[in-house]
Amino acid sequence: DTGVSQDPRHKITKRGQNVTFRCDPISEHNRLYWYRQTLGQGPEFLTYFQNEAQLEKSRLLSDRFSAERPKGSFSTLEIQRTEQGDSAMYLCASSFGGGPYNEQFFGPGTRLTVL
Amino acid sequence: AQTVTQSQPEMSVQEAETVTLSCTYDTSESNYYLFWYKQPPSRQMILVIRQEAYKQQNATENRFSVNFQKAAKSFSLKISDSQLGDTAMYFCAFMKPNSGYALNFGKGTSLLVTP
Repeated sequence: DTGVSQDPRHKITKRGQNVTFRCDPISEHNRLYWYRQTLGQGPEFLTYFQNEAQLEKSRLLSDRFSAERPKGSFSTLEIQRTEQGDSAMYLCASSFGGGPYNEQFFGPGTRLTVL
Repeated sequence: AQTVTQSQPEMSVQEAETVTLSCTYDTSESNYYLFWYKQPPSRQMILVIRQEAYKQQNATENRFSVNFQKAAKSFSLKISDSQLGDTAMYFCAFMKPNSGYALNFGKGTSLLVTP
């Protein structure tokens, strides 16, 4: 039984570059969430999908952030024109259905460093 | 907006002892859900325990239990018979219905279990 996977695990980029992260949820999970975790803080919700539909994106940090889940399976999170303040751990979670009793399973995260 | 406060950045406990981690939250909602998540060093975040605000009985999962005080908006986690494997960051999280079931996390408490 494979869990949530994320790729890459680490990404170092220069300011101004675009980066894209991938999340592969647990296979039967139709919900997928993205969170950002900065140093010394808890995860901060960014966006979520129900199948391929992005149902909440107002919490994305700026218009430089975008996410897709084209076929309702894997998802990508893209950051354009990266800034040093974007340095953080980006976490993906998935669940079977939405609700407090549909446990969100988290991936290992992608650690982004912007130089 | 809901805020979750964990006032203890770091705690330490000896193996086999009991430790309590504190969490308070602020909300105007009448129904909501509270969670404790554990993030071991360099490992994925996992759910420890959850509590529904309408349930007066405190949740228990093996060595983990909560003390939920709704009027005081307090949700503490008690770990009994602490084990070395309990060493981790512990995050308290809040979820309200109709929010996409996104989790709203506190800053976390780093727990070290010593031999």
